[in-house]
Amino acid sequence: KQEVTQIPAALSVPEGENLVLNCSFTDSAIYNLQWFRQDPGKGLTSLLLIQSSQREQTSGRLNASLDKSSGRSTLYIAASQPGDSATYLCAVRQDSNYQLIWGAGTKLIIKP
Amino acid sequence: NAGVTQTPKFRVLKTGQSMTLLCAQDMNHEYMYWYRQDPGMGLRLIHYSVGEGTTAKGEVPDGYNVSRLKKQNFLLGLESAAPSQTSVYFCASNLYRDTEAFFGQGTRLTVV
Repeated sequence: KQEVTQIPAALSVPEGENLVLNCSFTDSAIYNLQWFRQDPGKGLTSLLLIQSSQREQTSGRLNASLDKSSGRSTLYIAASQPGDSATYLCAVRQDSNYQLIWGAGTKLIIKP
Repeated sequence: NAGVTQTPKFRVLKTGQSMTLLCAQDMNHEYMYWYRQDPGMGLRLIHYSVGEGTTAKGEVPDGYNVSRLKKQNFLLGLESAAPSQTSVYFCASNLYRDTEAFFGQGTRLTVV
């Protein structure tokens, strides 16, 4: 059974720092992996989608990498800003079905 | 472009009452999903649909029913609400299995 783990559960850093959020998964037979952010009391906003054949995707200050063989993905945030404060979730879509399997998220706080 | 819209946003039910949550998407997406989000557990798939007129069970389907009579709408029903169904419910859609998933803003349901 696929399990997705995000470490750390919470992270607090000063504004301007570069940071890395981690996502690991136990079954490498994935279709794709997607990173989302969730603001308190709000829905989920898609950040980046990486297909299983890709190594990384970039959007602005965000860069997500995927190493399928080792079961790991990282989300790199450059020059962090207070507006980046949110919970970041990763989810993998299995090869075998339509289901997204979710990590529990990393709560990120950027201090001004 | 409204994207994915959920109604209602908040609801309080008494144990045993029934209700229907509505999800509407205007992106002509084939796939639609209902998730629940509980503290510390991540998102879990309740039911999903791969096209108009189709539905399938997800990870936690018990106590819920769904219908997809029109391509743009996916309804989630609770026939007899229980306190264990207190949660935040999210609807999501994507065009095909390997494309980006878009989420609604969520419905916060409390069963007392």
